[in-house]
Amino acid sequence: GDSVTQMEGPVTLSEEAFLTINCTYTATGYPSLFWYVQYPGEGLQLLLKATKADDKGSNKGFEATYRKETTSFHLEKGSVQVSDSAVYFCALSAGNDMRFGAGTRLTVKP
Amino acid sequence: DAGITQSPRYKITETGRQVTLMCHQTWSHSYMFWYRQDLGHGLRLIYYSAAADITDKGEVPDGYVVSRSKTENFPLTLESATRSQTSVYFCASSKGGSYNEQFFGPGTRLTVL
Repeated sequence: GDSVTQMEGPVTLSEEAFLTINCTYTATGYPSLFWYVQYPGEGLQLLLKATKADDKGSNKGFEATYRKETTSFHLEKGSVQVSDSAVYFCALSAGNDMRFGAGTRLTVKP
Repeated sequence: DAGITQSPRYKITETGRQVTLMCHQTWSHSYMFWYRQDLGHGLRLIYYSAAADITDKGEVPDGYVVSRSKTENFPLTLESATRSQTSVYFCASSKGGSYNEQFFGPGTRLTVL
């Protein structure tokens, strides 16, 4: 079935470092792809999304490009801040079902 | 306040007891979802509802029952709780199916002893 695999954490970076969190997917159709973020003690919030191949989603300095040829949707940010510390989830949707990756915990140190 | 709320936020119960987790949204979103979050598994869909009186199973529905008599409410019932149902439960809603952004509640942490 459809699934998402994302890099295991935790990831610890210094402030202003470059961030990449890898995400690959398996799907039979043409899913939409999402990145959600979960701050401590809260529910998930949509960070960005892409609905078709070669689309780039972006928000708050984060970017991810829907790569059909490599079935990937890697999350990147050029310069992370302490406030970016959270758990990041890659997800795909096909029909009424949404599949989430296991989550990657990011800690940014000042 | 508008939004999506869950109650209770924390619950401790015993094996075999019935537990109901409540979810309420004020946006009149058609779709509502229940997920459980476990370490190493991310979020897994339990049940979803496309509209009032329409529900369908997700990835892990066994041991759970849902109902949706009103658009704004989507309660999740564990008819006979088991230790394996210890988890954090999230309710979410969206305007359309899963292609649309989902808005999540704050979660309910359930412990089954």
